[in-house]
Order: sequence, then structure tokens, then C-alpha cells
Amino acid sequence: DVVLTQSPATLSVTPGERISLSCRASESVDTYLHWYQQKPNESPRLLIKYASQSISGISSRFSGSGSGTDFTLIINGVELEDLSIYYCQQGNSLPWTFGGGTKLELK
Amino acid sequence: QVQLKETGPGLVQPTQTLSITCTISGFSLTSYYMQWVRQTPGKGLEWMGFIRSGGSTEYNSEFKPRLSISRDTSKNQVFLKMNSLKTEDTGVYYCARVGATTFDYWGQGVRVTVSS
Repeated sequence: DVVLTQSPATLSVTPGERISLSCRASESVDTYLHWYQQKPNESPRLLIKYASQSISGISSRFSGSGSGTDFTLIINGVELEDLSIYYCQQGNSLPWTFGGGTKLELK
Repeated sequence: QVQLKETGPGLVQPTQTLSITCTISGFSLTSYYMQWVRQTPGKGLEWMGFIRSGGSTEYNSEFKPRLSISRDTSKNQVFLKMNSLKTEDTGVYYCARVGATTFDYWGQGVRVTVSS
């Protein structure tokens, strides 16, 4: 199974900051890497697909990059509503797997 | 618009069978794969398996011996059945639509506690 390792586990942020979240795969997943946001007591929501493709209705503050084993989610100008847990997920090989998540908290 | 809603028991006894129904609207089960994902305190988000638009299934080997996914296209429903429940199966169970290899729409989830 492909193991996805997200770092950091927790990130303390200041509104307006530009931040980067990392997701590293144990083997290449090409660009079959997707990002989700989960707010407390809500279901995850798709943010970025195929490493860098935007999703309709999602703020342009969110962008993604990477391929192979190293991926990054960037939030350009963090807002209070972005305080959530972010997960990466690979769709390259079954079983599809998720990372352990990065929690954004207020500094 | 696309909607998914899970219904199921909140409490299940150990060794018993969990049954959850996902009712969808806004799209056709014959056009999309549907899957089940769970979120537990111990293991986080786990993909459990999916049912293809044609009706065949694929399971995570972690759950395969005790998991069954099926559907009733006439009722727009997808079903999860998992037997031999353990306390570690406590968590939130989601159905989600598969958009290519992404999980593009999710239900609100059903919280399941396995306890006697």
C-alpha cells in the first residue's frame, strides 16, 4: 500500500500568511494526488485534484504542485475560515490511501 | 444538485453486523462509482471499497473478509454491510462519489459506536 506522510502535523498560522503543506508518498503516484479540507464536524471537501488542478467553487487561495512522491498544498493568504485539517489522498493504485493530515491552528 | 445521505445505527454491539444505507440524488449510480470511507480515531481516513458503475466491487484487503458493498439502482441507494464488528470499528462512515480517482462528493457521515 502507498503510505502518504503529511508534514507538519500541526501548523500555527497568522491570517494573511502564505503557507505550504507537504505530502510525501512512499512510492510514485504520478500526479494522482488529491487534497481535501475537513472542518470540525464536517465531511472532507475536495480542494485540489491531480496535484495541481483547481476545483470549481474553491477559492483561488488554494493551489497545489508536485508529481511522483513530493507534493505541496499552498494557501496564499490564510483566512480564519481555512482553520481545518488538510488531507492528501492518492488515486494511483488500490487501495486508495490518505495521509494523516495537517491541522491548521491560529497562532 | 448532487446529494448523498447515509443512514444507519448509531450503536452496534461487538461481533454484530453494521448496515448503512447511502441514498443519492442528482446523478445516476450507473454513471459513477460509489465508495465507502471511514474515519476512526485510531487510523484516520480509510478507503473501504467501491462499487463500479457497472455493479462490480473492489474492496480494501483490510476489510475484504467481512465487508460487502451493494446497491439498488431503482432506489438510488448504495449499501454497506460489515460483519464481526470490533470496538476499533468505532468511527464515522461516509459514502462518497468517485469522480475519476477523486472523492468529489461526500455524505454527511454516520457516526457508529461499537460497544456492548
